[in-house]
Amino acid sequence: EDQVTQSPEALRLQEGESSSLNCSYTVSGLRGLFWYRQDPGKGPEFLFTLYSAGEEKEKERLKATLTKKESFLHITAPKPEDSATYLCAVQADDYKLSFGAGTTVTVRA
Amino acid sequence: GAVVSQHPSWVICKSGTSVKIECRSLDFQATTMFWYRQFPKQSLMLMATSNEGSKATYEQGVEKDKFLINHASLTLSTLTVTSAHPEDSSFYICSARPNSGTGGTYGYTFGSGTRLTVV
Repeated sequence: EDQVTQSPEALRLQEGESSSLNCSYTVSGLRGLFWYRQDPGKGPEFLFTLYSAGEEKEKERLKATLTKKESFLHITAPKPEDSATYLCAVQADDYKLSFGAGTTVTVRA
Repeated sequence: GAVVSQHPSWVICKSGTSVKIECRSLDFQATTMFWYRQFPKQSLMLMATSNEGSKATYEQGVEKDKFLINHASLTLSTLTVTSAHPEDSSFYICSARPNSGTGGTYGYTFGSGTRLTVV
């Protein structure tokens, strides 16, 4: 059974204080690892898809990396508007996504 | 591109009534759509996979007679919560997997969710 574990559960940062979120996974036949951002009362918003170990993708202050066992989402010099819950999900052969519990990030001005 | 529209965004219904939620892909075709349920401060739990032109596939523990799914076209899937009870109150979210082209760019696109409250 696919397993996705995210840590930490919650992260409180000062504006400009860079940090990283972790997503550890166990899946047979990884087709893709996805990062989403979710604001309260909203659906997840797509950030990145990573397909193979060593791959990296960047978007503004966010950078996602992938190894064979985990993925990191690095937030560089965060701003208050980066406050959200960040979800990691893995896709196996059956096209279903298995989600982690998420990391709730709060950035204080 | 890759926008999924979900309606309604919130609904309150009386116990025993049925509620229909629509999920529509606006600028792409999706043979496969997914329905999730999310409890407060918890992650998304997959309920079922909706396939255009065929029966939906339900996850273990999800009552298919209670949560009716219809995927009548390549751009529309509906979830009907039948004989709703207070324990069905939750946040329901759909997502769509693009048939081709945009899948790698946009991943699986999610709707904005529907907050269902059964009183």
